[in-house]
Amino acid sequence: KAGVTQTPRYLIKTRGQQVTLSCSPISGHRSVSWYQQTPGQGLQFLFEYFSETQRNKGNFPGRFSGRQFSNSRSEMNVSTLELGDSALYLCASSLWTFSNQPQHFGDGTRLSIL
Amino acid sequence: TQLLEQSPQFLSIQEGENLTVYCNSSSVFSSLQWYRQEPGEGPVLLVTVVTGGEVKKLKRLTFQFGDARKDSSLHITAAQPGDTGLYLCAGIFGNEKLTFGTGTRLTIIP
Repeated sequence: KAGVTQTPRYLIKTRGQQVTLSCSPISGHRSVSWYQQTPGQGLQFLFEYFSETQRNKGNFPGRFSGRQFSNSRSEMNVSTLELGDSALYLCASSLWTFSNQPQHFGDGTRLSIL
Repeated sequence: TQLLEQSPQFLSIQEGENLTVYCNSSSVFSSLQWYRQEPGEGPVLLVTVVTGGEVKKLKRLTFQFGDARKDSSLHITAAQPGDTGLYLCAGIFGNEKLTFGTGTRLTIIP
């Protein structure tokens, strides 16, 4: 069974640009969550999508947005990139929305802002 | 904002020793998960605990959920180099957002 796939694995951008990250969940999983991981702040929740609707949102500025398609694949977009956006962005999928469901993580997209 | 504090932040021990890492919060969890993350990979779920006082074992790993569901511990017996990694606890509170702890970076020295 294929795991969660995130593309690209590595990305280098400059300040002010925008970026789109992609996540393909495990087949049959309907919930996709996004997290930002940095050495200083650890793993922080960005948002969760379930059945194409944003169900939960973390404390991030509006520059961070996402969407989910009918096949459960999800994309995350960050606009007007800042140096502080350099991080590992992780996507996780689960069968159902949170409520004790185990989260299956991809290996992440490492975003570096120059 | 719910916070999960893990201790210690870093731990380096010899192969064969025992260790315990802790996860604490001032809020009550509805459930708590433990993950292990290795370099270049995403976190992998180890266990989910739901009931206060619950104890679960996974080979040499023992997980305990506090009676009041505000804390949890992970005990590793006879640590092996393959146990090296970042251990993360993650709690679900009433708002159902999964909140991750600060992490314990464990290194087992052969």
